[in-house]
Amino acid sequence: AQSVTQPDIHITVSEGASLELRCNYSYGATPYLFWYVQSPGQGLQLLLKYFSGDTLVQGIKGFEAEFKRSQSSFNLRKPSVHWSDAAEYFCAASHRTGNQFYFGTGTSLTVIP
Amino acid sequence: SAVISQKPSRDICQRGTSLTIQCQVDSQVTMMFWYRQQPGQSLTLIATANQGSEATYESGFVIDKFPISRPNLTFSTLTVSNMSPEDSSIYLCSVLRGPDYEQYFGPGTRLTVT
Repeated sequence: AQSVTQPDIHITVSEGASLELRCNYSYGATPYLFWYVQSPGQGLQLLLKYFSGDTLVQGIKGFEAEFKRSQSSFNLRKPSVHWSDAAEYFCAASHRTGNQFYFGTGTSLTVIP
Repeated sequence: SAVISQKPSRDICQRGTSLTIQCQVDSQVTMMFWYRQQPGQSLTLIATANQGSEATYESGFVIDKFPISRPNLTFSTLTVSNMSPEDSSIYLCSVLRGPDYEQYFGPGTRLTVT
């Protein structure tokens, strides 16, 4: 069965430090992959996506993610975290027909001064 | 990107009553989705709503509890019927847009059942 796993429920980083959020997927074939951010009381905003091609994708707000087929992973990174990055981050995958999304359980990011 | 609005943004309801949530999109879309996000949880797909056909419900969700309407290509409603405190959640609608099937979400409706 298809699934998306985010092993880290909660991560705390210092402002200015680097960040990596983990995401693993289990699919029959390489799915489309996404990272969303949900700020408190807000809806979900798409940070970046991977469909094919270059395995390092750039997104908004200085985020990037790297697709590694051998590890079935799509980890999100940011070189220097800002206090405004504190939010819930969701990794998601979909079939290439696009009509069935699977979300991970989310990683809550706290940024300390 | 798609502009999606939801009404109401939040509500507090009594046990046993029903609430209808509206989702409006700024342009025509084929597929609309309804998700539930329970406190501290991830998103769970309730159903897929295509215009002109019955909604398709995911396992664990039934039409009698969550009836959905999709009268046109820009609008959908989700009703949460005979509510109990366990229905307290954020309910989000979403659409697929573009050649790469990007999914865009509405701001959500925060429902509290007392």
